[in-house]
Amino acid sequence: GAVVSQHPSWVICKSGTSVKIECRSLDFQATTMFWYRQFPKQSLMLMATSNEGSKATYEQGVEKDKFLINHASLTLSTLTVTSAHPEDSSFYICSARQGSSYNEQFFGPGTRLTVL
Amino acid sequence: GQQVMQIPQYQHVQEGEDFTTYCNSSTTLSNIQWYKQRPGGHPVFLIQLVKSGEVKKQKRLTFQFGEAKKNSSLHITATQTTDVGTYFCAGQITSGTYKYIFGTGTRLKVLA
Repeated sequence: GAVVSQHPSWVICKSGTSVKIECRSLDFQATTMFWYRQFPKQSLMLMATSNEGSKATYEQGVEKDKFLINHASLTLSTLTVTSAHPEDSSFYICSARQGSSYNEQFFGPGTRLTVL
Repeated sequence: GQQVMQIPQYQHVQEGEDFTTYCNSSTTLSNIQWYKQRPGGHPVFLIQLVKSGEVKKQKRLTFQFGEAKKNSSLHITATQTTDVGTYFCAGQITSGTYKYIFGTGTRLKVLA
C-alpha cells in the first residue's frame, strides 16, 4: 500500500510554545489530507480536511487559529499547534487520500504530543 | 451531527472463540471502511465496503454492509492472539468533503 510518514513521531514541549507536525505522502499525490486527534483509549476524531492549495475545512469545535493547517503541495500537509497547553496533549494522526473520494485513505504513524 | 457507534465497547474472548463487532450510523453512508489498531500503533486499513448488502471475506474475517447502508459488522472466526487490538469502522458521509467518521471502536482481548 501507499506510504504516509509523519514527523516528528513524538514531541514534548513547554506550555505556550508552538509545535509543527508534518505529514507526507511518500509515493503518491494526496489530493486530500485529513488530520485526526486521538485521546487515550478513545476513537479518532476528525479535526480538519485539507485539499492542496485551498483552505482547510475544520470540524465543529476545532479552533482554526489554534490548529493551523497548511497543505502547500500534493505530498505535504502540516499541522501547527499554536500556544500549546497540557490539554492539547494527544496523539495526532494524519491520513492521505489520492484522487477520488471513494479511494481508501492511508494513515501516517502518528505523532504523540506531550505539553508540560 | 452524524454519529457512528460501535458495540460492544470491549470484548474478551478465549482463543478459538468467535468475535463480532457491530457498527451503526445515524445517517446513510456512501461506503464504510474497517481498521485495526494495535496498542501504540496507528490504524491499519482492513477493507472497504461500498454496495448495499455487500459481504466480503478475508480469511477468518467476514465483513458485512447493511441493506440500508447504515450499519456494518465484522466477524472473526476462531480468534487468535494476533487478533488483539481495537477495531474501528469508519463511515464516509455522502456529501461535502466526503469525510470519514470513525466509530467508537471495539477493543478485543484474546485470552490464550
